[in-house]
Amino acid sequence: GAVVSQHPSRVICKSGTSVKIECRSLDFQATTMFWYRQFPKKSLMLMATSNEGSKATYEQGVEKDKFLINHASLTLSTLTVTSAHPEDSSFYICSATLAGSQFFGPGTRLTVL
Amino acid sequence: QKEVEQNSGPLSVPEGAIASLNCTYSDRGSQSFFWYRQYSGKSPELIMSIYSNGDKEDGRFTAQLNKASQYVSLLIRDSQPSDSATYLCAVKRGDTGRRALTFGSGTRLQVQP
Repeated sequence: GAVVSQHPSRVICKSGTSVKIECRSLDFQATTMFWYRQFPKKSLMLMATSNEGSKATYEQGVEKDKFLINHASLTLSTLTVTSAHPEDSSFYICSATLAGSQFFGPGTRLTVL
Repeated sequence: QKEVEQNSGPLSVPEGAIASLNCTYSDRGSQSFFWYRQYSGKSPELIMSIYSNGDKEDGRFTAQLNKASQYVSLLIRDSQPSDSATYLCAVKRGDTGRRALTFGSGTRLQVQP
């Protein structure tokens, strides 16, 4: 399968600060990447679709000014959580598609104090 | 009605038995179907993909698809304690990499030694 990495794997920050999460496809190019969020014991919820060279498409209810997505190259997409608050604490997971199947990064656990 | 429905479980089977996981979906336009395994605190790992009606086998895993009944299942033969995890069913319209997956809430499988 394809390899997708995320960095950092875990981050703890103070309320009001911004956090950047990187998602990289290591052995393939991905014109489209996806960002999901998962709360404990819940399923994955799609936040946005990240398209290389164009604006991201956000799901209903996801604030685009709060969750900034940049897909600057065919192997890198970033998610920045701006002015983070405790309710933003969650498991953030990215994925990229290769040959019709989606492969997930290892996830980033964000804790906002 | 949820777009993708799974029994949350837990489904408990003895070691060596067959585990049967089921999923129904509501969108008749769905064309791609996936099963992911997710261990606690980890991101989903792709197990199987299936696109045509019938069975698809890969080692101990068999995926079954019935588009007329809008039903997809996963059979795990010779279940092992290491198979204990949450299994997520996911569907997608079309086979383009630009479309996101819609996930079920997952079925928790417990394999008893």
